[in-house]
Amino acid sequence: GNSVTQMEGPVTLSEEAFLTINCTYTATGYPSLFWYVQYPGEGLQLLLKATKADDKGSNKGFEATYRKETTSFHLEKGSVQVSDSAVYFCALNSNYQLIWGAGTKLIIKP
Amino acid sequence: NAGVTQTPKFQVLKTGQSMTLQCAQDMNHEYMSWYRQDPGMGLRLIHYSVGAGITDQGEVPNGYNVSRSTTEDFPLRLLSAAPSQTSVYFCASCGQGGQPQHFGDGTRLSIL
Repeated sequence: GNSVTQMEGPVTLSEEAFLTINCTYTATGYPSLFWYVQYPGEGLQLLLKATKADDKGSNKGFEATYRKETTSFHLEKGSVQVSDSAVYFCALNSNYQLIWGAGTKLIIKP
Repeated sequence: NAGVTQTPKFQVLKTGQSMTLQCAQDMNHEYMSWYRQDPGMGLRLIHYSVGAGITDQGEVPNGYNVSRSTTEDFPLRLLSAAPSQTSVYFCASCGQGGQPQHFGDGTRLSIL
């Protein structure tokens, strides 16, 4: 069946550090891939998406590339800020259903 | 510009009580779903609907009922609340398969 695996958190970084949050998936066909972010006390917001192989999604300085050969969709940001502290979820869309990773909590220290 | 609206935002129940969590969307989306979010477990799908009059079970449907009488509304009913149902509940909608889902702000439910 379809599944999404994320690196476990929490991930703790200093401000301006480089961020990578790993995400790999198992799926039949060619699902769309998403990163969602959940800030403390809030709901989930779409951060970025990619709908086919080699697509790069980007938003707010975050990027992720749909790698079919490695079945990965790693989230990266060149210089994180304290305001990026949140929980990040990787997900894939199989028809209408979203398959979720467990989430990675990111803590950025000033 | 309401998007997905969930009510209430917070609720405390006693074991055995019943209640309905409301979800409404104004984007004319066909697909709606309910998730629960528990610490360390990500989001788990409870029930979903691909259109008015059509519902189906997700990963963790036991103890919950849904109905979809209109495109806009997708209420979630707890028939007899149990402490294991203490969680944060999110409703989501999307227009087509493969499109991003839009989430409500969540309902934080505590069962004593």
